[in-house]
Amino acid sequence: DTGVSQDPRHKITKRGQNVTFRCDPISEHNRLYWYRQTLGQGPEFLTYFQNEAQLEKSRLLSDRFSAERPKGSFSTLEIQRTEQGDSAMYLCASSFRQGPLNTEAFFGQGTRLTVV
Amino acid sequence: AQKVTQAQTEISVVEKEDVTLDCVYETRDTTYYLFWYKQPPSGELVFLIRRNSFDEQNEISGRYSWNFQKSTSSFNFTITASQVVDSAVYFCALTGSESFGNEKLTFGTGTRLTIIP
Repeated sequence: DTGVSQDPRHKITKRGQNVTFRCDPISEHNRLYWYRQTLGQGPEFLTYFQNEAQLEKSRLLSDRFSAERPKGSFSTLEIQRTEQGDSAMYLCASSFRQGPLNTEAFFGQGTRLTVV
Repeated sequence: AQKVTQAQTEISVVEKEDVTLDCVYETRDTTYYLFWYKQPPSGELVFLIRRNSFDEQNEISGRYSWNFQKSTSSFNFTITASQVVDSAVYFCALTGSESFGNEKLTFGTGTRLTIIP
């Protein structure tokens, strides 16, 4: 399977615990994005990387959230001290950009987080 | 600020009927991209189409067609002869000129389409 892969698919955690999600993009893609989707809403942008550099972070990404892409390949999204409001689907996407050329974003199946 | 409005929350049609999903957008950018994505129950967002703001030509792909009208800031999506497999949530999305391409997609709230066999 050469699509975007996310792990785990589902995560249930107690409030106050830390969680970490992983995203493996399409191998030749240099851009990687994180979005959050709550029930009945469209995805909302959180952050994105060009290779290993984090180029932009949304105001939605509070200081409890941190994302990394250490070698420009896979990425992790960590949420510290989870709150019930963090319950959502976390979507990862990737694309390839070179100069003005940019493919569309390909999305993974997401990680559904439930904070109890 | 950018905004995408999908006023139709849910639509149900009988199989083989045609259905149009509406999308209205707001942006101050002169250059932008519009998208449609499909989200089946599995959760993965499936890309359907990208259209840039300079290309108002309508597009047809099989049973799918898109009508882009800059004058009304609309980018509507029509499925002809609908099938049960078309049942999904459909999202319209927008990016602006400061992000050349598809960074920072701004999504609408989606339209849940149910095709009744």
